[in-house]
Amino acid sequence: QKEVEQDPGPLSVPEGAIVSLNCTYSNSAFQYFMWYRQYSRKGPELLMYTYSSGNKEDGRFTAQVDKSSKYISLFIRDSQPSDSATYLCAMSASGGSYIPTFGRGTSLIVHP
Amino acid sequence: DSGVTQTPKHLITATGQRVTLRCSPRSGDLSVYWYQQSLDQGLQFLIQYYNGEERAKGNILERFSAQQFPDLHSELNLSSLELGDSALYFCASGRQGLDEQYFGPGTRLTVT
Repeated sequence: QKEVEQDPGPLSVPEGAIVSLNCTYSNSAFQYFMWYRQYSRKGPELLMYTYSSGNKEDGRFTAQVDKSSKYISLFIRDSQPSDSATYLCAMSASGGSYIPTFGRGTSLIVHP
Repeated sequence: DSGVTQTPKHLITATGQRVTLRCSPRSGDLSVYWYQQSLDQGLQFLIQYYNGEERAKGNILERFSAQQFPDLHSELNLSSLELGDSALYFCASGRQGLDEQYFGPGTRLTVT
């Protein structure tokens, strides 16, 4: 079992839909959770960063962490064609380990 | 634009050859991370340097090496190249003690 599992998709939604992207993990030491967006042939871009459990909102994006279930989510409201990209989750443990473990990424397609 | 630069953008070379990939971190970032991204393996952490010193090692082959210079730019050297080394190589930079990483645009390596 991989430490971080992420459905590769593709996930295809119509413009304006609410998108839910998810990752599960097995390492209970993970405390820091990140979401990156990667457009085709570009470098990953940090979207959201959260610590421990709870929600964090930034514009149309909401990151949610449920440590009891070892499950994190990224919600995108009012999705746009420009949101079409691969979304990678990443997480790392506390205690000085700052090398994140990345999920394989979920490909999202938002069609007009 | 993340502020991280990588050169070259594309590299095509033959098996058995050696190449050097270059990265300049964001201004003020002392940490440089190297990743390999392929379709079947996702984003794999290779190695981290902090202020010129090797800080963490991931799944880096013995044929690969890296260094960080006093001006904080970093180079990743890949030798005895094999077809399987064809991938996107990303450099990321960040601040010590923080998990957020900022990725460069990547170098696409094709080994023929």
